[in-house]
Amino acid sequence: GQNIDQPTEMTATEGAIVQINCTYQTSGFNGLFWYQQHAGEAPTFLSYNVLDGLEEKGRFSSFLSRSKGYSYLLLKELQMKDSASYLCAVGAYGGATNKLIFGTGTLLAVQP
Amino acid sequence: DAMVIQNPRYQVTQFGKPVTLSCSQTLNHNVMYWYQQKSSQAPKLLFHYYDKDFNNEADTPDNFQSRRPNTSFCFLDIRSPGLGDAAMYLCATSRENLGGGSDTQYFGPGTRLTVL
Repeated sequence: GQNIDQPTEMTATEGAIVQINCTYQTSGFNGLFWYQQHAGEAPTFLSYNVLDGLEEKGRFSSFLSRSKGYSYLLLKELQMKDSASYLCAVGAYGGATNKLIFGTGTLLAVQP
Repeated sequence: DAMVIQNPRYQVTQFGKPVTLSCSQTLNHNVMYWYQQKSSQAPKLLFHYYDKDFNNEADTPDNFQSRRPNTSFCFLDIRSPGLGDAAMYLCATSRENLGGGSDTQYFGPGTRLTVL
């Protein structure tokens, strides 16, 4: 079956670094995505990993280990606007095309 | 700017009264998805279109239907909304990555459905 786990909530301080972990069990793995979702808004794409290792994009980095079924999203120099839910999503083969299986998200609160 | 548009942003309907939500895209993506997202939960895939081919998820209730008249537009029809169908409905698009790996899904702003 498909299973994605990530912490429900995290709190961090403005200017600090925070790491949000995600573990997954899935068949037909075809890449892992991180999305940011502010309350009442649609998810917006942050990063994609399909090979093991670290992908860096500005203040945001994402890491993947396929053998461990593990990923993390690293946010540096936190800003108040980073307060949002962060969704880990696994791409999986699903019939004619690829599907995304989403975790329930990690709600990050950035405090002054 | 290329984008995914959903109308309306907020929809109120009455219990049992059919409602249609719309999604359009200017990205020329061949795959379009409909998700249901309830408060503090993960987006749940209802179905998707690969070009004109409709792919329903096994646990999507029959109450939910979809139409894709052309590449740009996709509709979600809820035939008889119940109180439990109140949620955010998200439309997403992607370009099928034939080279392997998953292509990124781009989401519209969502339609928040209230059922009275």
